[in-house]
Amino acid sequence: SYELTQPPSVSVSPGQAARITCSGDALPKKYVCWFQQKSGQAPVLVIYEDNKRPSGIPERFSGSLSGTMATLTISGAQVEDEADYYCYSSDNSGNHWVFGGGTKLTVL
Amino acid sequence: DVQLVESGGGSVQPGGSLRLSCAASGFTFYTYWMSWVRQAPGKGLQWVANIKPDGSATYYDDSVRGRFTISRDSPKNSVFLQMDGLRAEDTAVYYCVRGVYKFDYWGQGTLVTVSS
Repeated sequence: SYELTQPPSVSVSPGQAARITCSGDALPKKYVCWFQQKSGQAPVLVIYEDNKRPSGIPERFSGSLSGTMATLTISGAQVEDEADYYCYSSDNSGNHWVFGGGTKLTVL
Repeated sequence: DVQLVESGGGSVQPGGSLRLSCAASGFTFYTYWMSWVRQAPGKGLQWVANIKPDGSATYYDDSVRGRFTISRDSPKNSVFLQMDGLRAEDTAVYYCVRGVYKFDYWGQGTLVTVSS
């Protein structure tokens, strides 16, 4: 079955850039979305269609794609950005969807 | 405002059934794909199923195919998840979500516990 691979954890100091990667064989052909989930809350969409930012999401959040790897970048990460982040996409058929395993971002 | 409100969660024994409901409001329901996503305690997100706007096609994760059925009632702005043959590993918070991948609105989630 199709899988998306993320690092379990990323740690940065406040003000530094945080980069979270997501790799998958179908990513060159299928859109990826990114979600932020804080403890005890429902996830929030932060990036869709590889690099688009929904209204209300700070400009420091950006997405990019290179080959089979997507990257979520938080420029100038803030303490309030501490959360779990998940990528999400489909396999080549477009009928089976998967989340990455999630990355815990620590900002301290 | 867009709202998604789940109901129907609870405790059930292995092999039992539950039917989750999601009441949608604040958008033109019949034009959107709808999905269910779950999260086991302390674990990551897992896509469960989705359904086309007109209900003509449904798709499932391999782990639930043949046991779960997603459906919708557009006049009532509702989407459902019928869960049969429940297993301990189905224990999770189940979220109703608008869309097929651009999940821009989520419900608050409903907890399903499968235990003897």
